[in-house]
Amino acid sequence: GAVVSQHPSWVICKSGTSVKIECRSLDFQATTMFWYRQFPKQSLMLMATSNEGSKATYEQGVEKDKFLINHASLTLSTLTVTSAHPEDSSFYICSVTRFYPVGSYEQYFGPGTRLTVT
Amino acid sequence: QKEVEQDPGPLSVPEGAIVSLNCTYSNSAFQYFMWYRQYSRKGPELLMYTYSSGNKEDGRFTAQVDKSSKYISLFIRDSQPSDSATYLCAMRPGTSYDKVIFGPGTSLSVIP
Repeated sequence: GAVVSQHPSWVICKSGTSVKIECRSLDFQATTMFWYRQFPKQSLMLMATSNEGSKATYEQGVEKDKFLINHASLTLSTLTVTSAHPEDSSFYICSVTRFYPVGSYEQYFGPGTRLTVT
Repeated sequence: QKEVEQDPGPLSVPEGAIVSLNCTYSNSAFQYFMWYRQYSRKGPELLMYTYSSGNKEDGRFTAQVDKSSKYISLFIRDSQPSDSATYLCAMRPGTSYDKVIFGPGTSLSVIP
């Protein structure tokens, strides 16, 4: 079954409004979640690393005031796109990491959220 | 030079063919290698996960890693139309907190 869920799966909003996307880890507690952005026919671009109980770490070029990340619990991280513009239209995907005692981890992805800003 | 290179395709094969998908990389520190399958408008799904060099088989899928050549492959035997998707290679160094680097993905179509 699914390891990660995202809500909503598709959202349309007007320019200037804010949109919140939820990412939930269903099978295990995730101290670390990642948020990616994917444009059509392109690979995933890491936006930020979400750490439970602390501030998110943003990748270079990603505006932290525009893409607000809150990792409030070990099973939930949210991404809020503030004052959305048409260029923010994209496919947003979260992933959760499952760590193993030997020091490795596996990364599971959510089904994605398609954001369209009109 | 990008850290991970992958031919974007599209690759079109007849049903039943053997498919070979490849990635090259430049960072010799990479230790963990993954292949993800992504259907249109869906999140990536982990297919194969290997550590260091060698082969790993899972049903119709075989992953190969050649660290000396910095080259990884995914083979799909007896390809099916349901295998039509984009395949992303991914890799990372050895520590728990390293970020995964993704290839751009190869679009595969299996024609019935």
